[in-house]
Amino acid sequence: GQSLEQPSEVTAVEGAIVQINCTYQTSGFYGLSWYQQHDGGAPTFLSYNALDGLEETGRFSSFLSRSDSYGYLLLQELQMKDSASYFCAGLMDSNYQLIWGAGTKLIIKP
Amino acid sequence: GAVVSQHPSRVICKSGTSVKIECRSLDFQATTMFWYRQFPKQSLMLMATSNEGSKATYEQGVEKDKFLINHASLTLSTLTVTSAHPEDSSFYICSASPSLTDYGYTFGSGTRLTVV
Repeated sequence: GQSLEQPSEVTAVEGAIVQINCTYQTSGFYGLSWYQQHDGGAPTFLSYNALDGLEETGRFSSFLSRSDSYGYLLLQELQMKDSASYFCAGLMDSNYQLIWGAGTKLIIKP
Repeated sequence: GAVVSQHPSRVICKSGTSVKIECRSLDFQATTMFWYRQFPKQSLMLMATSNEGSKATYEQGVEKDKFLINHASLTLSTLTVTSAHPEDSSFYICSASPSLTDYGYTFGSGTRLTVV
């Protein structure tokens, strides 16, 4: 079946760099997306990789390697407000649906 | 750009009643919108794909007669939870995108439904 796996929880220190990995077992998808969701809120789009390589958007970067079925989200200069859940999601080419990972809760300590 | 508005943000209703949730794309046309539900500390679960001018496509296990979806225009999709029960209490979220293949999806702010 199609699935995306990511760690359930990651802890980091304010000002540091953290990487959230996402491995997938799926085929036929346009690319890999990353979303942030704060408690009680809706997901917010962060980044999208249609091609292999690194996409940089401010403090956030995302990487995709189709040959390794792997991607990651890199957050730099962590701020307390970055404490949230982060989801990787594969965009399927058959119906444009997103297949979601279970989410990674990022805990940031002062 | 790419703003999706969802209303209401919170609703409390009695068992047996129906609740309508609206999802609007404010600055783009959306031929396709997606409806999700999310339980606490869980990932998003796709309920259905809403297509403008045609019937929605429901995911396996989602009752189409209970969760009525109408996508009558390129900017509006509605989800009606009919004969709501306490187990329908959840966070319902819609999403859409100006381009389905090369852009991130924008989500509405979500609707917290509580059925008492």
